Amino acid sequence: GENVEQHPSTLSVQEGDSAVIKCTYSDSASNYFPWYKQELGKGPQLIIDIRSNVGEKKDQRIAVTLNKTAKHFSLHITETQPEDSAVYFCAAGGGFQKLVFGTGTRLLVSP
Amino acid sequence: DSGVTQTPKHLITATGQRVTLRCSPRSGDLSVYWYQQSLDQGLQFLIQYYNGEERAKGNILERFSAQQFPDLHSELNLSSLELGDSALYFCASSLSGASYEQYFGPGTRLTVT
Repeated sequence: GENVEQHPSTLSVQEGDSAVIKCTYSDSASNYFPWYKQELGKGPQLIIDIRSNVGEKKDQRIAVTLNKTAKHFSLHITETQPEDSAVYFCAAGGGFQKLVFGTGTRLLVSP
Repeated sequence: DSGVTQTPKHLITATGQRVTLRCSPRSGDLSVYWYQQSLDQGLQFLIQYYNGEERAKGNILERFSAQQFPDLHSELNLSSLELGDSALYFCASSLSGASYEQYFGPGTRLTVT
């Protein structure tokens, strides 16, 4: 079955810096790669996603890149703000495959 | 606010008991997914229903069961509870039976004492 590895487990940056979180997946049949942000006491919030026919997608300060050959995808957050502090999860799957989640990255943005 | 609602928000119960968690999907969504989130296991997929029918099963214990009703709300039943069942239980919904664009509810925190 699908296996998703996520790194780093924790990431501390200064406000205004960029943050990058990386994930690798194992199943070449996966075609959908969402990213979720989970704040304390809340459910995961879908912030951006990408499908396998696209290499990059941007939405304001966040972007996701996908390398199908290497089976890895990354989340990039630019100009980080304290409110970006949260746990971020990647996932892989899509279609009739269940979503398999990474183990999460705790991002701390210091003012 | 994702539009997915879950009740109750918190639940404290004793070992051996049975509880029911409830989820209402976003308006128009036909699929409901249940996930368990514990500190050491991350987000684990339990089960998916699509338009009232079971669509996919994950690592769901035999002591757990779920169903989706004609109005598309779903219930997750947990029985013979053990200490290790303490976790956050999330419901997510999506428009179709394919697992794209899942929107999560706020979760139910279950504590088994």
